[in-house]
Amino acid sequence: EAEVAQSPRYKITEKSQAVAFWCDPISGHATLYWYRQILGQGPELLVQFQDESVVDDSQLPKDRFSAERLKGVDSTLKIQPAELGDSAMYLCASSPNRAPGPGNTIYFGEGSWLTVV
Amino acid sequence: GENVEQHPSTLSVQEGDSAVIKCTYSDSASNYFPWYKQELGKRPQLIIDIRSNVGEKKDQRIAVTLNKTAKHFSLHITETQPEDSAVYFCAASITGNQFYFGTGTSLTVIP
Repeated sequence: EAEVAQSPRYKITEKSQAVAFWCDPISGHATLYWYRQILGQGPELLVQFQDESVVDDSQLPKDRFSAERLKGVDSTLKIQPAELGDSAMYLCASSPNRAPGPGNTIYFGEGSWLTVV
Repeated sequence: GENVEQHPSTLSVQEGDSAVIKCTYSDSASNYFPWYKQELGKRPQLIIDIRSNVGEKKDQRIAVTLNKTAKHFSLHITETQPEDSAVYFCAASITGNQFYFGTGTSLTVIP
């Protein structure tokens, strides 16, 4: 069964350093999401791509976070500089349908755990 | 935007008993409601979903009910087993494009 791939699985970084996460969605999935999940809470959307275009980045802290999906396939999420409050799991997800509709569900990767010290 | 509330935040049941998790949503335009199970350190996995034109859906020991008028939906797990222990998240989606998640319920099944 195809899965969403993410790396690294775990990252420890010092505050003010830069960190990057990579995601490879399920082949053929047009929509890609980056979520942040703080321990004990539900996933919160950071950015959503349709192919290579950003369709929603309203919750992305743009002063320090950036995301790209240059060729409409894999994606990178970057944080610079990292802050202590950024410690969380960063989940990538993808969904298959180009046209939204009920039942167009999303499939998550294993996540990237970030600890900022 | 959509606001999804989930209760309870923690739930402990004896093995073999039933567990019920409830979610409410705010946007009447939401029409797709998936449920995810997340085991410690693992990815959230879809376990069941329901569309707004259906009131109930069942898959073996798991069922989901939807009340559109009251804007709430529930997950029911019968004959619980220790392997059901996990965090469960509900979500609401408008047209399957944007997904809004609840805060999660940590279910513990006591052998």
